[in-house]
Amino acid sequence: DTEVTQTPKHLVMGMTNKKSLKCEQHMGHRAMYWYKQKAKKPPELMFVYSYEKLSINESVPSRFSPECPNSSLLNLHLHALQPEDSALYLCASSQQQGKPRYGYTFGSGTRLTVV
Amino acid sequence: AQTVTQSQPEMSVQEAETVTLSCTYDTSENNYYLFWYKQPPSRQMILVIRQEAYKQQNATENRFSVNFQKAAKSFSLKISDSQLGDTAMYFCAFDYGQNFVFGPGTRLSVLP
Repeated sequence: DTEVTQTPKHLVMGMTNKKSLKCEQHMGHRAMYWYKQKAKKPPELMFVYSYEKLSINESVPSRFSPECPNSSLLNLHLHALQPEDSALYLCASSQQQGKPRYGYTFGSGTRLTVV
Repeated sequence: AQTVTQSQPEMSVQEAETVTLSCTYDTSENNYYLFWYKQPPSRQMILVIRQEAYKQQNATENRFSVNFQKAAKSFSLKISDSQLGDTAMYFCAFDYGQNFVFGPGTRLSVLP
């Protein structure tokens, strides 16, 4: 299995809702990443998990809460989002953080719309 | 700070022709990796090709090849025999062991 699977593919939520994005990989990768991508822009790093521990938080607002329950699974919990948070949320994984030799494997993203 | 520049926001090419996408980067690191990723309308970022900075030989993957000029900090992507399925956003990316730094992207359209 050489894929990163993200669910759901599309999500529409109100500003008072609580929802979660899910990301799963079975490649034995020990680093997992959340990115936010606005239209026609490159992905922006949000969080990095290394060996299931939060390694990097790029000053992301607390309404985004990441969780890594095990080495294969990464969640992003959403609460009280704003319309400007509407974007494509990409998950990625790599063999290890800091070992970039083989690049990242990306999922196909969750298109989030906040209304 | 590490930066990646792609000076061509949009490009187009006729099917079966060859096109070159440019990328320059700025770093003081000596060991690093460079990547080209493709993002078609399906949204998934797909690795096209990668280059290890300590290797002088340019990487090739089928119709895709790079021209890596380390001294000039240049890393261009050449697509030969362009196909309609090559239509996508192309991002150049750099990693020296921290995290990816992406360029702003080049939107490539392959015309029939």
